Amino acid sequence: DTGVSQNPRHKITKRGQNVTFRCDPISEHNRLYWYRQTLGQGPEFLTYFQNEAQLEKSRLLSDRFSAERPKGSFSTLEIQRTEQGDSAMYLCASSSDWRQETQYFGPGTRLLVL
Amino acid sequence: AQTVTQSQPEMSVQEAETVTLSCTYDTSESDYYLFWYKQPPSRQMILVIRQEAYKQQNATENRFSVNFQKAAKSFSLKISDSQLGDAAMYFCAYNSDYKLSFGAGTTVTVRA
Repeated sequence: DTGVSQNPRHKITKRGQNVTFRCDPISEHNRLYWYRQTLGQGPEFLTYFQNEAQLEKSRLLSDRFSAERPKGSFSTLEIQRTEQGDSAMYLCASSSDWRQETQYFGPGTRLLVL
Repeated sequence: AQTVTQSQPEMSVQEAETVTLSCTYDTSESDYYLFWYKQPPSRQMILVIRQEAYKQQNATENRFSVNFQKAAKSFSLKISDSQLGDAAMYFCAYNSDYKLSFGAGTTVTVRA
């Protein structure tokens, strides 16, 4: 299976700790997206990469959040000084250049901040 | 910003019957894409069907079909011959550049 993968699948942390999530997109997909989904709601856009360049960041992405895609392949999303309000599912998606509008999602990382 | 509205929080359907999920959106763009995604209890978001706004023909994928009304900005999903495996949260989504804007979702339950 060459779908989008995300690790870890679940993360429990204490308030104030830093956490990092990883996303591996579908092979040869140049575009990579991060979304956040709270319980019972639709996903909300966080940020977007084309290759290694981060082209857009949502207002939802406070300065405690940082995302990277250093070699244009996998991406990491780091949350510093976590707060209880950061508890959510963090979804990663990818798309190809030739069909950029169609995004394929990974299984997500469920974060619980205690 | 584009707004996507799903007015039905929950829908229930008898196995083998048909259910229709509604979705409306607000945009000033003329060229865009619309999607329905399915998110089962395992929470992996799965693409169900895709519609290009410039195509008048409604998209169909096996038992799933859409009714796309561009002037009314309406994009409904019909699930025919419902199966137990169709039980999930369904999200309508809009894309005109790079990011998806999602509705709040409709939970579909299938009665055996």
